[in-house]
Amino acid sequence: DIQLTQSPSSLSASVGDRVTITCRASEAIGDYFAWYQQKAGEVPKLLIYTASTSQSGVPRRFRGSGSGTDFTLTISSLQPEDVATYYCQQYNSAPFTFGPGTKVDL
Amino acid sequence: QVQLVESGGGVVQPGRSLRLSCVASGFTFSTKGMHWVRQAPGQGLEWVAMISDDGRETDYADSVRGRFTISRDSSKNTLFLQMNNLRGDDTAVYYCARDAWNYKYYMDVWGRGTTVTVSS
Repeated sequence: DIQLTQSPSSLSASVGDRVTITCRASEAIGDYFAWYQQKAGEVPKLLIYTASTSQSGVPRRFRGSGSGTDFTLTISSLQPEDVATYYCQQYNSAPFTFGPGTKVDL
Repeated sequence: QVQLVESGGGVVQPGRSLRLSCVASGFTFSTKGMHWVRQAPGQGLEWVAMISDDGRETDYADSVRGRFTISRDSSKNTLFLQMNNLRGDDTAVYYCARDAWNYKYYMDVWGRGTTVTVSS
């Protein structure tokens, strides 16, 4: 099974800060990779797919990059509404797997 | 609008069974693969199972293979998860999610979830 590790597990930042979350896969997965955002008490929401394509309606400050084994989610200017846990996910091969999550606080 | 509504959760004793349902609306259900994803209390997301658009292909997480069965009834726009021999570590919120394609792709729409508690 493909394992995903995320770092950091949590972070605190200020409004306007640039925030970077990384995810590493245990083997190459091409760009079969997505990022999801889950706010407290809410349903997960798709942010990024195929590693770098933004889902419709996602603010431009969210950018995904990477391929192969190393991937990054960047929030260019953190906003209060971005407080959430962010999960990476690979869909290169079953069983699909999620990373453990990165909790972002202000 | 596109919507997924899960039901069927509840409190069940270890070893018993439960069947979850997810009713889809706002899109052509028969053209999309579907997934179940769960989240234990205070924990992260765990992919559980997926089924192709035509229902012919399925796959499961190792933790549920042989105990859970995913199926669909496209005439009723409904996805199912039959859960047998339930264990305490199956306690979670179970989300139904739409595959962005017909199978084995990312999840672009999620339901609000239904809670399963396995306890004696």
